[in-house]
Amino acid sequence: DIVMTQGALPNPVPSGESVSITCRSSKSLLYSDGKTYLNWYLQRPGQSPQLLIYWMSTRASGVSDRFSGSGSGTDFTLTINPVQADDIATYYCQQSRESPWTFGGGTKLELK
Amino acid sequence: VQLVESGGGLVQPGKSLKLSCSASGFTFSSYGMHWIRQAPGKGLDWVAYISSSSGTVYADAVKGRFTISRDNAKNTLYLQLNSLKSEDTAIYYCAREGSSTGDYWGQGVMVTVSS
Repeated sequence: DIVMTQGALPNPVPSGESVSITCRSSKSLLYSDGKTYLNWYLQRPGQSPQLLIYWMSTRASGVSDRFSGSGSGTDFTLTINPVQADDIATYYCQQSRESPWTFGGGTKLELK
Repeated sequence: VQLVESGGGLVQPGKSLKLSCSASGFTFSSYGMHWIRQAPGKGLDWVAYISSSSGTVYADAVKGRFTISRDNAKNTLYLQLNSLKSEDTAIYYCAREGSSTGDYWGQGVMVTVSS
């Protein structure tokens, strides 16, 4: 199984700053079609997860351009710039390269 | 797009439960669907997938105990949970497979396994 490992944040983060959340996969998520199958979700307290980024860097419909995704085949970054109060949530990376689909452990964002 | 789960509750270890996910706002039969769960205070854990042609895939932790199915005429996804264990206690979400594993998610339904 592909293991997804997320980094922690130096919480709390000042509002208005730029924040980067890291994620690493144990296997390359680059597929033969040229797409990298890495997704990012956010989950606000008490709510369902919602899709932010797919194919490593494509924003989902309606997602603010303050959110951006980047990376290589195994190392990925979600950047929020600038971070706002509404961004308080836990962020998950997830691979859809192959089954079983696996998630990172989550990274919690707290604001100062 | 709307996904609404139902059927959760409190059940004893070893018993069974069937979850439903009612879909609307899209052509249900054209999409693969997932069940994903979240134990209290924990992260997300993928459970099962069914393709638009009803092919299925399961996580090792539930293989042989859970069954995912769909009724395209009723726009409904199901998850049959048998031989339940305490570690199956979680919120169960259904999610639509679009450009990612879950481009839309339901609100979730709670399953508690306890004697």
